[in-house]
Amino acid sequence: QSVLTQPPSVSGAPGQRVTISCTGSSSNIGAGYDVHWYQQLPGTAPKLLIYGNSNRPSGVPDRFSGSKSGTSASLAITGLQAEDEADYYCQSYDSSLEVFGGGTKLTVL
Amino acid sequence: QLQLQESGPGLVKPSETLSLTCTVSGGSISSSSYYWGWIRQPPGKGLEWIGSIYYSGSTYYNPSLKSRVTISVDTSKNQFSLKLSSVTAADTAVYYCARLTPRDAFDIWGQGTMVTVSS
Repeated sequence: QSVLTQPPSVSGAPGQRVTISCTGSSSNIGAGYDVHWYQQLPGTAPKLLIYGNSNRPSGVPDRFSGSKSGTSASLAITGLQAEDEADYYCQSYDSSLEVFGGGTKLTVL
Repeated sequence: QLQLQESGPGLVKPSETLSLTCTVSGGSISSSSYYWGWIRQPPGKGLEWIGSIYYSGSTYYNPSLKSRVTISVDTSKNQFSLKLSSVTAADTAVYYCARLTPRDAFDIWGQGTMVTVSS
């Protein structure tokens, strides 16, 4: 059981918008700690997608955006493309340890 | 640009100690503000943070693994290492090393190395 809760899977058609939620608690997201998002393509290492709740590293398309409110955070992907099919993980900090969500598999229909 | 590369045995026997090293190239492991971490991913499962270390040697570990984990740093070799003792099949996973920013984001990752625990 992960400290941060994500839906196991989401799906969308090309061009559509999808969101992935990340639900925490008052000891992590709700305590004001940043939420970060990673994209893991099949057979590869995770890649930082969003840091500090809503910031994109250089090279990440602006189709990807992040937000945070209360004890939850969300990753939104607009203009869905086939290459976006991957696993997505949220991550934050909680009581002196780094915590990850269980991951969400995005399927592009 | 900064790169990280994991190395170590791909097969470890049950009850023995898993040892991995992460070599940092294209930059210094002694850069201020950055921690360095180990994360693992069992086959078909999610990411689990193992622990992190600062170049000074300051560490913090996942409480679920703390009794078996030691992370150390060798600044002269620009490397940091992981030791996980008394391994079982449950420790079979891809092990990643990564750089941890001051905002607690893992921004640069190694390619990962698969470690199988089996006799």
